[in-house]
Amino acid sequence: AQTVTQSQPEMSVQEAETVTLSCTYDTSESNYYLFWYKQPPSRQMILVIRQEAYKQQNATENRFSVNFQKAAKSFSLKISDSQLGDTAMYFCAFRHSGTYKYIFGTGTRLKVLA
Amino acid sequence: NAGVTQTPKFQVLKTGQSMTLQCAQDMNHEYMSWYRQDPGMGLRLIHYSVGAGITDQGEVPNGYNVSRSTTEDFPLRLLSAAPSQTSVYFCASTYDRDRANVLTFGAGSRLTVL
Repeated sequence: AQTVTQSQPEMSVQEAETVTLSCTYDTSESNYYLFWYKQPPSRQMILVIRQEAYKQQNATENRFSVNFQKAAKSFSLKISDSQLGDTAMYFCAFRHSGTYKYIFGTGTRLKVLA
Repeated sequence: NAGVTQTPKFQVLKTGQSMTLQCAQDMNHEYMSWYRQDPGMGLRLIHYSVGAGITDQGEVPNGYNVSRSTTEDFPLRLLSAAPSQTSVYFCASTYDRDRANVLTFGAGSRLTVL
């Protein structure tokens, strides 16, 4: 069975600094998609960034970037220049190509300190 | 477009009562799903549907029923509520399983069973 593991339940970072959230996954498939979702205190789930497994280049979205290591089955999220509005729960998610079933990790609660 | 609309946002039930959480999307998405979010557990898939008339069980289906009579609507029914069903419930939808299309989430429904 596929699993997604987020080993850091809670993290904190000073405003303007950089933080990395880790995510590992387990699959025997070669085609899949990976996602990071953010859940602020409003509870709304918001997509942060996505990565297609067949693309070797790491995805970036403004201050957010990933370090995708396919062989190691690792998909970490780096947040640069952290802002107070980045305070949220972050979920890593996985989906095989050709299916709709998403598997989520247990989340990392990130607090950005002023 | 309203996106994914969930109602109600909050509900308190007594053990044994029944209720339906409503979910509607106006994006013509094929896939709709229900998740529950519990502390330390992440998001767990309850039921999902890949089109009108087609539903299937996810990871934690017991105690819940679903139906998909139209593309737009995917209600989640609790037939006899139990305290273990106290949770935050999210409806989510997407389309095209072969591309990295993201899940679009509703705002969530917080259910408390006394």
